[in-house]
Amino acid sequence: SQTIHQWPATLVQPVGSPLSLECTVEGTSNPNLYWYRQAAGRGLQLLFYSVGIGQISSEVPQNLSASRPQDRQFILSSKKLLLSDSGFYLCAGNSGSTDTQYFGPGTRLTVL
Amino acid sequence: SQQGEEDPQALSIQEGENATMNCSYKTSINNLQWYRQNSGRGLVHLILIRSNEREKHSGRLRVTLDTSKKSSSLLITASRAADTASYFCATDQGQLTFGSGTQLTVLP
Repeated sequence: SQTIHQWPATLVQPVGSPLSLECTVEGTSNPNLYWYRQAAGRGLQLLFYSVGIGQISSEVPQNLSASRPQDRQFILSSKKLLLSDSGFYLCAGNSGSTDTQYFGPGTRLTVL
Repeated sequence: SQQGEEDPQALSIQEGENATMNCSYKTSINNLQWYRQNSGRGLVHLILIRSNEREKHSGRLRVTLDTSKKSSSLLITASRAADTASYFCATDQGQLTFGSGTQLTVLP
């Protein structure tokens, strides 16, 4: 089965600073990859998904961007963080043959 | 707005009791999935039910799907303190859309 790795687990950043969150996948090749954000006590909001290297689809306009430089690597970035970027960021993946998604442990981002 | 909406938002029961959570959605789906999330952790997939299925079992979990009412329910039987978590339904229309979740607390 797939394993999704994310780091760091927690991050505190000042407003206006850059961001880079990394997600890597083990146990499958050519996965679909997803970045979600979860506000406290709420459901997940899909931010970006990727079906292959260099292919990124954005679900909501925002201060963030995503890149997929390698098959099993998915990066979430920002040039200048806003207070509203605080939240719990989850990376997930699934292979083309399954509908279920495997999630990483998440990154808790606090922007001060 | 979100596709799936869980009900209730929070549920507190005693160990050994059954817990039932409901999910309603708005549009046609390929399948519906239930996930569990322990506090501050990633989500874990529990069970998937396809649009042509009406009921599915996995261990102490029982999921039903009524496509005419656009609703699903998750039943956890003989609950344990370790079942304490948030439970989310997610509808699949090509991408997964998650509800807001039900916070289940099982008291020992």
